[in-house]
Amino acid sequence: EAQVTQNPRYLITVTGKKLTVTCSQNMNHEYMSWYRQDPGLGLRQIYYSMNVEVTDKGDVPEGYKVSRKEKRNFPLILESPSPNQTSLYFCASSFGDRYTGELFFGEGSRLTVL
Amino acid sequence: GQNIDQPTEMTATEGAIVQINCTYQTSGFNGLFWYQQHAGEAPTFLSYNVLDGLEEKGRFSSFLSRSKGYSYLLLKELQMKDSASYLCAPDSGGGADGLTFGKGTHLIIQP
Repeated sequence: EAQVTQNPRYLITVTGKKLTVTCSQNMNHEYMSWYRQDPGLGLRQIYYSMNVEVTDKGDVPEGYKVSRKEKRNFPLILESPSPNQTSLYFCASSFGDRYTGELFFGEGSRLTVL
Repeated sequence: GQNIDQPTEMTATEGAIVQINCTYQTSGFNGLFWYQQHAGEAPTFLSYNVLDGLEEKGRFSSFLSRSKGYSYLLLKELQMKDSASYLCAPDSGGGADGLTFGKGTHLIIQP
């Protein structure tokens, strides 16, 4: 089954404790992206990747890191989480070397930073 | 940069028709996406308009006017399961803008 898989789905952590949210897709998509979604602010892009070893900042990259060592994986790293990073996070992927075309979303990861 | 405007919330009656509008201003434009998102779930693709005009897909139709920077999503024969948020997303065609989503319209369907 074609899908985007995120882990963990739910996480409660404390300020400053490094964490990684994994994202994997099995559709051989070149484009992958991370979004956060907050009430009243909608979906905002954190980072995106056009292909392996190619990543770029989105609208809200501060406090986050990403890597794209393999085509299928695009982990989101919070080196020192803070309470303002409490949010619902979505990973998404798409065909082609650009994001034209349908975006396929993971189920979301709800993160709470205390 | 991009500016996307859509109503925050709309209410409609089961069986009726509702139109959700979206206006946008982008530095470039390839087309426009509409996504549906149920509460707590991931967005799912509804439509992608490239050319001006109306595209119909079952109960859902989407309209685009490139010259006016305007689109709408038309939902017919509303069902309770259509209660969701509807996200408008202009495709600016590359560069650092990425794909920017509007804040979404929360549609409430009443019996």
